[in-house]
Amino acid sequence: AQSVTQLDSHVSVSEGTPVLLRCNYSSSYSPSLFWYVQHPNKGLQLLLKYTSAATLVKGINGFEAEFKKSETSFHLTKPSAHMSDAAEYFCVVSAPSGYSTLTFGKGTMLLVSP
Amino acid sequence: DGGITQSPKYLFRKEGQNVTLSCEQNLNHDAMYWYRQDPGQGLRLIYYSQIVNDFQKGDIAEGYSVSREKKESFPLTVTSAQKNPTAFYLCASSVKPSSGANVLTFGAGSRLTVL
Repeated sequence: AQSVTQLDSHVSVSEGTPVLLRCNYSSSYSPSLFWYVQHPNKGLQLLLKYTSAATLVKGINGFEAEFKKSETSFHLTKPSAHMSDAAEYFCVVSAPSGYSTLTFGKGTMLLVSP
Repeated sequence: DGGITQSPKYLFRKEGQNVTLSCEQNLNHDAMYWYRQDPGQGLRLIYYSQIVNDFQKGDIAEGYSVSREKKESFPLTVTSAQKNPTAFYLCASSVKPSSGANVLTFGAGSRLTVL
């Protein structure tokens, strides 16, 4: 069994300040973890993925996430927010390999103000 | 360019009518998926298919039906039995990974509104 909890439904930051989107997971195995981003009325785009290699994962657009097994967390960060980062972000957990169904968090809406 | 095409982008339906959402991919992916997205709910899996002529129910399959007659196509029918069909529907596909996790590629979605 697996589940994922995104701790904030909305996060507001100012342009140029750091971004932190929090995600905790639960899994009966060593999972794979993902962050996806969705802009309004669009599909989802993969930001980054963790698959049991390096615990610090770098993704597109300057985002990165750190897998912390002891804390069962996979928080998404970016040093400096840009207006174009405003979107909804989904943390996702799945089995570590092969075809597997994914479990999505409920999403965190990131708002960026000038 | 390779990708997933969903149509129509917007669809309005009267209560009691069936409607079919199209999903076509040219990525040569074996697996295809349908998700439903509601505000504040994340994505929930409706149906998925790992091979032509075979598909499995996801978490919320009631009131929906699918077919997989071709590798490229995975249409979703929202039947009149679906009690609350107004939602954003996302189609996705993936290739069987040789190692590591299953990474999905998503279409742009179809928004269904029941009047």
